[in-house]
Amino acid sequence: DQQVKQNSPSLSVQEGRISILNCDYTNSMFDYFLWYKKYPAEGPTFLISISSIKDKNEDGRFTVFLNKSAKHLSLHIVPSQPGDSAVYFCAASVAKGNTPLVFGKGTRLSVIA
Amino acid sequence: DSGVTQTPKHLITATGQRVTLRCSPRSGDLSVYWYQQSLDQGLQFLIQYYNGEERAKGNILERFSAQQFPDLHSELNLSSLELGDSALYFCASSVGGFQAGELFFGEGSRLTVL
Repeated sequence: DQQVKQNSPSLSVQEGRISILNCDYTNSMFDYFLWYKKYPAEGPTFLISISSIKDKNEDGRFTVFLNKSAKHLSLHIVPSQPGDSAVYFCAASVAKGNTPLVFGKGTRLSVIA
Repeated sequence: DSGVTQTPKHLITATGQRVTLRCSPRSGDLSVYWYQQSLDQGLQFLIQYYNGEERAKGNILERFSAQQFPDLHSELNLSSLELGDSALYFCASSVGGFQAGELFFGEGSRLTVL
């Protein structure tokens, strides 16, 4: 049973436009969410996170939105740049429990110049 | 560069064989995590060590084992290999013992079982 789902395997966006990557989760105990970015032949790198006490967190061009009632989060990238082309993984955890990070399968973002 | 070093980067072996993957965490990090990424799958948590002791276990097969040594490097041993074990194996590290935070990943070891 997949607890973290990224239903879009791939997304293609024009440079300068907004990229929206979506993630759904099923475990209501999750209270901390992260996005990781992965380039080919590299390990995933941390991008941005959000705690369940917030509904939005911004870091430069990256914003994560959390809708707890819908068990849904999204990552917005504005404006999108060719260097953003990568695989983006959504991950979730229970902050106060030693439970492993649960990752989605990833969404491959292609930003076209 | 995350500071996490994994060797080897690539490994090709035959079914039934045994391999060892090695990970050196970032300087100062006490926790080491192992993840498996198979084709079209997300990162599946295998096992975590904190300061030499096993802290958490995921869906790790009995044919797989791991340990963390006094110098904090870790090894993942995979035995009686099967075709389905072909995957990218990532090691990650963190300062603390809990996963609710940023993990620093190595570049991965790609295992191909023929």
